[in-house]
Amino acid sequence: DTEVTQTPKHLVMGMTNKKSLKCEQHMGHRAMYWYKQKAKKPPELMFVYSYEKLSINESVPSRFSPECPNSSLLNLHLHALQPEDSALYLCASSLLTGNTEAFFGQGTRLTVV
Amino acid sequence: GENVEQHPSTLSVQEGDSAVIKCTYSDSASNYFPWYKQELGKGPQLIIDIRSNVGEKKDQRIAVTLNKTAKHFSLHITETQPEDSAVYFCAASRRNTPLVFGKGTRLSVIA
Repeated sequence: DTEVTQTPKHLVMGMTNKKSLKCEQHMGHRAMYWYKQKAKKPPELMFVYSYEKLSINESVPSRFSPECPNSSLLNLHLHALQPEDSALYLCASSLLTGNTEAFFGQGTRLTVV
Repeated sequence: GENVEQHPSTLSVQEGDSAVIKCTYSDSASNYFPWYKQELGKGPQLIIDIRSNVGEKKDQRIAVTLNKTAKHFSLHITETQPEDSAVYFCAASRRNTPLVFGKGTRLSVIA
């Protein structure tokens, strides 16, 4: 099983809303990632969690707040987003950070209105 | 940090022909090189990978080659089919460092 499950698949939110994206994996992976992907661009790294601790924050604005409640779950809390934050948000996991297979979820298509 | 260049950005081939996508990387410490296929509206799917101690790896119609000296690696798809149409990303990483992606290649297989 190489499945990473993301919910919801689609999300429309207003600029004053608070919402959360969820990601789950049961492969025993200890590294989990959030990426943002704009149309016709590669995935852009936002956050890395290693052993449930935030290890990399790629200077992401504070309106994006990650959380790793346990080794299988990863959340991304959203607040006061801007229309330019509309994108496909991808979660991924790998056994360890770097040089191991990384598996992606199907993504959450976020639209900020 | 690592920089990955990918070419071409778009590629059209006739069904049954071969397709080749090339990537170069800058960090000589990188030792893991995966390729991802992304279909419209979906997340990237790992299709093949290669490590720096191997020069070539094949899985049915897909093969990847690595030249460590020149710091480049390539994806080869033979006997292309319409369902191979997608965006392909190469990536590079090393221990404790997340993947760095190339900009992607949009492959169109024309029936």
